[in-house]
Amino acid sequence: DAGVIQSPRHEVTEMGQEVTLRCKPISGHNSLFWYRQTMMRGLELLIYFNNNVPIDDSGMPEDRFSAKMPNASFSTLKIQPSEPRDSAVYFCASSLAIGQGSNTEAFFGQGTRLTVV
Amino acid sequence: KQEVTQIPAALSVPEGENLVLNCSFTDSAIYNLQWFRQDPGKGLTSLLLIQSSQREQTSGRLNASLDKSSGRSTLYIAASQPGDSATYLCAVRFPGNQFYFGTGTSLTVIP
Repeated sequence: DAGVIQSPRHEVTEMGQEVTLRCKPISGHNSLFWYRQTMMRGLELLIYFNNNVPIDDSGMPEDRFSAKMPNASFSTLKIQPSEPRDSAVYFCASSLAIGQGSNTEAFFGQGTRLTVV
Repeated sequence: KQEVTQIPAALSVPEGENLVLNCSFTDSAIYNLQWFRQDPGKGLTSLLLIQSSQREQTSGRLNASLDKSSGRSTLYIAASQPGDSATYLCAVRFPGNQFYFGTGTSLTVIP
């Protein structure tokens, strides 16, 4: 397996534009996590899915943020409209859900570096 | 929200030294704990996973221990090398499937 794949790797956009980040989890994994990393706040859990269903989105900072997982092999994180303070590295991670197997090790993608100007 | 703390925030050691990184968490009802490494501008690489029923895990020069009752984990790196320079993060997973990260320890190994 190629691991968790995120796209794009870098995104520069103007304030007010819509941004869509994409993630393909490892095949067979049924938990997917979206994180945001900044120098000030470290790694923050935004939302996670089990079996394509959002379980906890309490970390999503505002209504401008939304995430979907239409199937087991694809998820998106959308910011509309984007603001300069959204600039950060966004990571996606996947694993087996607890209770679905003995190996629940999580694996991360390479991240998307978002810059909103 | 769970609190996961890592001390120290930064550490600089000469090559060859053994070192210990610390991770503490407030809720002992964890499912497992995972240590990651992050190089500048890169993603997170999994180093070790310890289940809540285990006391330690070893991989090469790395040894991670877990003491659930005291809410602590340590990552021991033996015979450090300049290539070990990176940020090390611990992540605690709870039965509800949430994953919370510590603030990280930035390690520099001086040749």
